[in-house]
Amino acid sequence: DAGITQSPRHKVTETGTPVTLRCHQTENHRYMYWYRQDPGHGLRLIHYSYGVKDTDKGEVSDGYSVSRSKTEDFLLTLESATSSQTSVYFCAISEGTSGRGEQYFGPGTRLTVT
Amino acid sequence: TQLLEQSPQFLSIQEGENLTVYCNSSSVFSSLQWYRQEPGEGPVLLVTVVTGGEVKKLKRLTFQFGDARKDSSLHITAAQPGDTGLYLCAGVDTGRRALTFGSGTRLQVQP
Repeated sequence: DAGITQSPRHKVTETGTPVTLRCHQTENHRYMYWYRQDPGHGLRLIHYSYGVKDTDKGEVSDGYSVSRSKTEDFLLTLESATSSQTSVYFCAISEGTSGRGEQYFGPGTRLTVT
Repeated sequence: TQLLEQSPQFLSIQEGENLTVYCNSSSVFSSLQWYRQEPGEGPVLLVTVVTGGEVKKLKRLTFQFGDARKDSSLHITAAQPGDTGLYLCAGVDTGRRALTFGSGTRLQVQP
């Protein structure tokens, strides 16, 4: 299994509070991604990173920001959590050199915003 | 925006039956992947298909990539309860090296 951990695994927070989710990899892969998974929507890309301090937006980036100061860590921040951000969040990594786009996923973080 | 549509959304079958899951798009993808996800876990990569018309077999699972690289199918022969899970197809957007996921097919195989 790819060495990907996510923390916390579960979190309950109140509307309006900031929340940061962490993804940590031990594979030294260049690409890292944050997705959210909601019933009926599959996985949707929030943000991704193609190197240290290099990030770009995905299809559902509003209300989220990311940072990557080290190869191994990719942080997702909800500046002011809303109930619509209740979801399961997955981090993924990809080596990115083969062009096949294969990604390896972490175990997920279940976030509930009350 | 590239979209992938999966069908059916839900499938409940008896052990030993065969089934096919479809993944269709109007867009061309450089490659397409299939993942399986079990409750409480992240998706796990099953296969990547790259060439139009390509067929790959993984034990009782057969994956096919359409000639035009816009669609794919997953066929399971003699399904077993261990095949139960959410099956996701994903197309590769080479510009971002990001994946576009279908909404998934939830398969339940009854013993």
